[in-house]
Amino acid sequence: GQNIDQPTEMTATEGAIVQINCTYQTSGFNGLFWYQQHAGEAPTFLSYNVLDGLEEKGRFSSFLSRSKGYSYLLLKELQMKDSASYLCAVFFNKFYFGSGTKLNVKP
Amino acid sequence: GAVVSQHPSRVICKSGTSVKIECRSLDFQATTMFWYRQFPKKSLMLMATSNEGSKATYEQGVEKDKFLINHASLTLSTLTVTSAHPEDSSFYICSATTGSEQYFGPGTRLTVT
Repeated sequence: GQNIDQPTEMTATEGAIVQINCTYQTSGFNGLFWYQQHAGEAPTFLSYNVLDGLEEKGRFSSFLSRSKGYSYLLLKELQMKDSASYLCAVFFNKFYFGSGTKLNVKP
Repeated sequence: GAVVSQHPSRVICKSGTSVKIECRSLDFQATTMFWYRQFPKKSLMLMATSNEGSKATYEQGVEKDKFLINHASLTLSTLTVTSAHPEDSSFYICSATTGSEQYFGPGTRLTVT
């Protein structure tokens, strides 16, 4: 089967930086995606990595190491509105989602 | 980015009835759409992959006869929950792919009473 692991929950302070890790063991790999999901809403696309390295998009960055089966999402200058679940997903013919990391941002 | 719509956004139905959920890609053609189910505080569970013009591919444990999927055109896929039961109550989300990116619909909250 496919295994994608993320921490269940994290807490961080407004204005700080937080790193959400994701490890995966899949039978194939075409890309790794990060999504943000607020309660009761559909996921929204944040970032996408195909090659090793760091992809930066404003306050959000995502890193990938294919040899280690590892990725992280980095959120800078945290805002209260960043409180949400963050989903890691590996694409190989279809999308395989991790269980999501619930991020709580405190004042 | 691309837009995917779902209809209805919320539906309440009685046990034993059937409910149809539509998923449309509004500004692009999607050869493949995915249907997910999400329980409270859980991640998305892929139910099936819907390919235009062919039969859907269901994930293990998903009943084909209960969750009927039809992908009639490059912009429309439908999921019909047949003979719904309270345990089918969930958040159903579709997505459409352009190959490299996946765009989610807003989801449909189904409540079976």
